[in-house]
Order: sequence, then structure tokens, then C-alpha cells
Amino acid sequence: QQPVQSPQAVILREGEDAVINCSSSKALYSVHWYRQKHGEAPVFLMILLKGGEQKGHEKISASFNEKKQQSSLYLTASQLSYSGTYFCGTEGYNQGGKLIFGQGTELSVKP
Amino acid sequence: NAGVTQTPKFQVLKTGQSMTLQCAQDMNHEYMSWYRQDPGMGLRLIHYSVGAGITDQGEVPNGYNVSRSTTEDFPLRLLSAAPSQTSVYFCASSPDRYTDTQYFGPGTRLTVL
Repeated sequence: QQPVQSPQAVILREGEDAVINCSSSKALYSVHWYRQKHGEAPVFLMILLKGGEQKGHEKISASFNEKKQQSSLYLTASQLSYSGTYFCGTEGYNQGGKLIFGQGTELSVKP
Repeated sequence: NAGVTQTPKFQVLKTGQSMTLQCAQDMNHEYMSWYRQDPGMGLRLIHYSVGAGITDQGEVPNGYNVSRSTTEDFPLRLLSAAPSQTSVYFCASSPDRYTDTQYFGPGTRLTVL
């Protein structure tokens, strides 16, 4: 079952912060985050495996609340290069490794 | 390493035609998968494989076949193309199906008339 991302789109000014949420109706083993630029393939950002785990990647970090089946991606002090569509992918337990993606969140960072 | 390669980059088919989208990786990854991407729909899993000789269905498998005779190759066959299969197709590979990143190929843009 496809996870739900919110918001669907967000526009920021350079230097502003944003949060993208990903929710699932099923128990999750892991959450993956990817970014895709227009006309390009998705690029890996990070994976979160444990409940309450938080990871960081430069000024982009994420949390995973296993009990709530939710993950959030935090973008701080956004840069123009952060523009793109962000996807979360979720894997459930006993799902044979299937990675199911959300519908995406389009992020635009303006100067 | 070339990573994940896909051919062709663009393809136009007529309704009812069949074709094979090629995907190859040179990283010795066990896990490979096919996704289609339509506007507003995100990436939807078509088929995936956890190793040579093993394949399984994803979210939207109807109208597509796959096989995995080698670790390197994972072709996707469209049996009888339909306009609803117009999409961008991405192949991805990963060394570990649970805990590692997936590396995506550049994609194939398919139009079915």
C-alpha cells in the first residue's frame, strides 16, 4: 500500500526550512528517502531502519517513528540545489523486500 | 563501473506491439527492480528480483513480464503494448534488498500510440 506524503508541493525562499512527512498504514521495517531532479533518475538520500532513528546528510536530516509508521524529512537553510521532487519509499515486514514509494513532494527553492 | 544502464532511452510503439526494455548492472547486485513513473503517481513497482532465477510481482505487474537468467541483466517485456503503458520506466539495483540504497538507471521514456 502506497505511503502518503505531505505536503504535495512547497515553495521556499533560499535559507528557509521545510519538513516533508511520510505516513504508512502498515508496520514499517524501513523508510528510504530519494530526491529527483526534473528529467533525471531518483538519487538516494538516506535510509532509516529503527524506531526513533534519526539520520543526517549535510543540512538534510530525517526521523523515523516506527510506532506511528511515520517518517519526516527535514531540510534546513535550504539551497537552490535542494529543488526537486522528494520521494519516500517504505518497506514493510515480511514484504519480500518490496520498496513502495509515495507520490512525491515537489520542492521549489527560490532565490 | 557503468552502474545501471537502460536501453533504449526513448521508444515509440503502436498499440499491440511487443518489446523488451533492457536493464543491466555491473555492480554484482543481487536485488533489481522495475518501476514506472507517471505524473502525480510517483514511482510504482512493476516487478522485482532478489537474485538470478527469482522474480516476483510488484504493485502494477499486469501487462509486463520479467526474467532474471543472470545477475547482471533484468529485462522487462511488454507483451501487447497499450496507451496506458505510456510512461517513464526506471530500472534499479541494490546490493541488499533491505538495508541499502537502490541505484537507478537513467530511464526509458515509452510512448504507446
